[in-house]
Amino acid sequence: GEDVEQSLFLSVREGDSSVINCTYTDSSSTYLYWYKQEPGAGLQLLTYIFSNMDMKQDQRLTVLLNKKDKHLSLRIADTQTGDSAIYFCAESGGSYIPTFGRGTSLIVHP
Amino acid sequence: EAQVTQNPRYLITVTGKKLTVTCSQNMNHEYMSWYRQDPGLGLRQIYYSMNVEVTDKGDVPEGYKVSRKEKRNFPLILESPSPNQTSLYFCASSPREARTGELFFGEGSRLTVL
Repeated sequence: GEDVEQSLFLSVREGDSSVINCTYTDSSSTYLYWYKQEPGAGLQLLTYIFSNMDMKQDQRLTVLLNKKDKHLSLRIADTQTGDSAIYFCAESGGSYIPTFGRGTSLIVHP
Repeated sequence: EAQVTQNPRYLITVTGKKLTVTCSQNMNHEYMSWYRQDPGLGLRQIYYSMNVEVTDKGDVPEGYKVSRKEKRNFPLILESPSPNQTSLYFCASSPREARTGELFFGEGSRLTVL
């Protein structure tokens, strides 16, 4: 079945770039997503990329997709304390319903 | 305001006492789903519903029931809760016609079973 893997923790200094990585196994993935969960809240879609794209940029966020290696990354430039959250990688295939990774806790320290 | 509303947000109960967590969405979404979130395990899907009167098991359905009598509501029922069902529960919905699979989440219901 589908599997999405990501590391559990990432710690960065305020102002540095953060890179959160994710690998997936479903070769029929159509969309790949990054969701953000702030403390005490539900998940919110941060960004997504269609599988025929290599890169998507949205202000401080850059998503890179290597479809050959089934590797997805999220880069956050100039990381701020407000970026501290859990980031979930997810992918969807023909059903268009996402399968989630376990989430990466991003800790931003001064 | 477009939203997914869950109730209660917090609940402490005892083993065996039936409870229901309600979920309602006002976006006319066909798809609805329940997840549980546990430390180190991420999000695991419990049940989902593609439309009214259509429900299917997710990855961890044991000990749970759902119903989808109306499009907007998707309650999660624990007939006889046990301590291993202590968790943070999320309801989510999605418009299937959007094709991107974006899920809209409620704020979560933290359940403790003693």
